[in-house]
Amino acid sequence: AQKITQTQPGMFVQEKEAVTLDCTYDTSDPSYGLFWYKQPSSGEMIFLIYQGSYDQQNATEGRYSLNFQKARKSANLVISASQLGDSAMYFCAMRNFNKFYFGSGTKLNVKP
Amino acid sequence: EAGVAQSPRYKIIEKRQSVAFWCNPISGHATLYWYQQILGQGPKLLIQFQNNGVVDDSQLPKDRFSAERLKGVDSTLKIQPAKLEDSAVYLCASSSTPPGLRGYEQFFGPGTRLTVL
Repeated sequence: AQKITQTQPGMFVQEKEAVTLDCTYDTSDPSYGLFWYKQPSSGEMIFLIYQGSYDQQNATEGRYSLNFQKARKSANLVISASQLGDSAMYFCAMRNFNKFYFGSGTKLNVKP
Repeated sequence: EAGVAQSPRYKIIEKRQSVAFWCNPISGHATLYWYQQILGQGPKLLIQFQNNGVVDDSQLPKDRFSAERLKGVDSTLKIQPAKLEDSAVYLCASSSTPPGLRGYEQFFGPGTRLTVL
């Protein structure tokens, strides 16, 4: 069963605009962690943002924010003021029962 | 602080040959992960170590893949014999225990790109 679902294989956004990347997850455990990673064409995985299941507020890290809707089991990533350097693959991941699960990713292209 | 080190960065072998990858995690990180990332897909966890014990190897093809983490530090992942479908990037990651402010954030190495011909 899919633990993490990313339904957008690819997205385009205009430079300086905001973009939302979708992520839904599936777990019966009340304790879990949600992560977003960026993977540029060079291949390294770069941590962006983390949300714990008990965190009351949505996480923010600079231009990145996580729209955490617990009842809907969604953890969408919002990137504000997109830059050309944001063009990359983005992966949503969940840590649950001491295991990590990754989604299939969303390829973001930022247009000048 | 040094990051996660992996070697080699690239490897090309023929099917049925053997190959080994090496990973050195961030100093002090108790948990080490090996992932397989096939082109266009998300990383798939192959094996997870806590110190030198295996936490999860449910997705490791044990008939051909093996991994060890002697002394709870470095780790080696081996494929013997390799198949065409093993062509992928093999990522190593580590995380600290107990978790930091970012939960069990994983720090990834640069990966090893394996091509099986």
